[in-house]
Amino acid sequence: EVQLVESGGGLVQPGGSLRLSCVASGFTFSSYYLSWVRQAPGKGLEWVAQIKQDGSEKNYVDSVKGRFTISRDNAKNSLYLQVNSLTAEDTAVYYCARSWSKTFDIWGQGTMVTVSS
Amino acid sequence: QTVVTQEPSFSVSPGGTVTLTCGLSSGSVSTNYYPSWYQQTPGQAPRTLISNTNTRSSGVPDRFSGSILGNKAALTITGAQADDESDYYCVLFMGRGIYVFGTGTKVTVL
Repeated sequence: EVQLVESGGGLVQPGGSLRLSCVASGFTFSSYYLSWVRQAPGKGLEWVAQIKQDGSEKNYVDSVKGRFTISRDNAKNSLYLQVNSLTAEDTAVYYCARSWSKTFDIWGQGTMVTVSS
Repeated sequence: QTVVTQEPSFSVSPGGTVTLTCGLSSGSVSTNYYPSWYQQTPGQAPRTLISNTNTRSSGVPDRFSGSILGNKAALTITGAQADDESDYYCVLFMGRGIYVFGTGTKVTVL
């Protein structure tokens, strides 16, 4: 079964950091672009970052540039998002998604990040 | 700042047809933006419906169809069913590895 499973979310204080993880199974991980998409409570979806198959190309939404870092380990079938300098506006469910032909075709169930003192 | 606009809400009768649109704050949407569409119910992850303007994802009923209508991307639900009541989002590929989600449309079937 093709699957993405996120972990690493939790409650963090403003200014804090977290490392989100996403483990893939059921497909050739190293063949696909991968993205992180987030959704604040009661709000719409927002694309956050994407990484190329070999990690050589990374792109970010402007609001997270310099604070978030996307990375991957193809040997471990794992995608990561290092989130630093968190603010309340970063509170959201974070989904990892497989990118294929400019479409997010497989989604994980998400991990919740809550930024609060 | 690119804004991708969608209607906030639509109501459709069971068996009826509704067309949701996805536009740009400036400019026209074309196939070059690879528009895709997603369905989301509360508390669930999004489900991919349409890729590359009009390609249905595996398992998606054929009552869902995608197209370009005028200067916007469009998702049409023909013969709406109760379980189509969801939020619907479009995504546009802006180039240089950047994507922008639309503002989302809440569809009510009643």
